[in-house]
Amino acid sequence: GAVVSQHPSRVICKSGTSVKIECRSLDFQATTMFWYRQFPKQSLMLMATSNEGSKATYEQGVEKDKFLINHASLTLSTLTVTSAHPEDSSFYICSANGASGGSSTDTQYFGPGTRLTVL
Amino acid sequence: GDSVTQMEGPVTLSEEAFLTINCTYTATGYPSLFWYVQYPGEGLQLLLKATKADDKGSNKGFEATYRKETTSFHLEKGSVQVSDSAVYFCALRKGAQKLVFGQGTRLTINP
Repeated sequence: GAVVSQHPSRVICKSGTSVKIECRSLDFQATTMFWYRQFPKQSLMLMATSNEGSKATYEQGVEKDKFLINHASLTLSTLTVTSAHPEDSSFYICSANGASGGSSTDTQYFGPGTRLTVL
Repeated sequence: GDSVTQMEGPVTLSEEAFLTINCTYTATGYPSLFWYVQYPGEGLQLLLKATKADDKGSNKGFEATYRKETTSFHLEKGSVQVSDSAVYFCALRKGAQKLVFGQGTRLTINP
C-alpha cells in the first residue's frame, strides 16, 4: 500500500526556536497533503491543506505565520513551527492523497506522526 | 456542516469478546466512510472503508457496512484480541475534500 513518512519522529527544542517537520509520500505522487495536530487523548485537528506549487489553505484559528507550510514537490511537504513555545507541544501528523498503482485518490494515507516537545 | 459522532469510550473488553463501536454521520451528498486505527505512539492507519450505500468494508476481521438509511457505519469484530487495543476513528470524506473525524474511541482488550 501507499506509504507516507515523517521526519523526525520526535523532536525536543527550546522555546523560541523553529522546528521543521518533513512529510514524504514514498511510492506515489501527492498533489495534496494535509497537516493535523493531535492533543493527548483527543481527535485530530486539521491545521492546513497543502497543495503542490501553491499556497497552503489554513483552517480557521490556525496562525499561518506560525505554522509555515511548503509543498515544493509532489512527494514532499514541510511544516515549520516558528518561534515554538511550550503550548505548541503536540503530536503532528501529515497525510497525503494521490494516485499510485492500486491506491485510490479517495483514500488518505497517514504518516506515523512527529512528537514535538518544546521546553 | 458535515460531522461524525462516535460512541464515547473508553471501551474495555475481554479477549474473544464481540466488539461494536457505533458511528453515525451527518452529511450532504454521498460521502465515503472510513475507519482508522491508531496504535499507541503511532499515526493513523486505514482499517477499512466504504464508498457507497450498502458497501461493506472489511479488514483484519473488522467489518463495517455503509447504511444510508440510518446514516451509520458501525465497526464490528466477532472476536477481539489484545493486539486490537488502540484508538479507533470513524471519518467521512466527500470527493477530494478533507476528512472529517469523529472524536475517537479508545479500546482496551484484557487477556
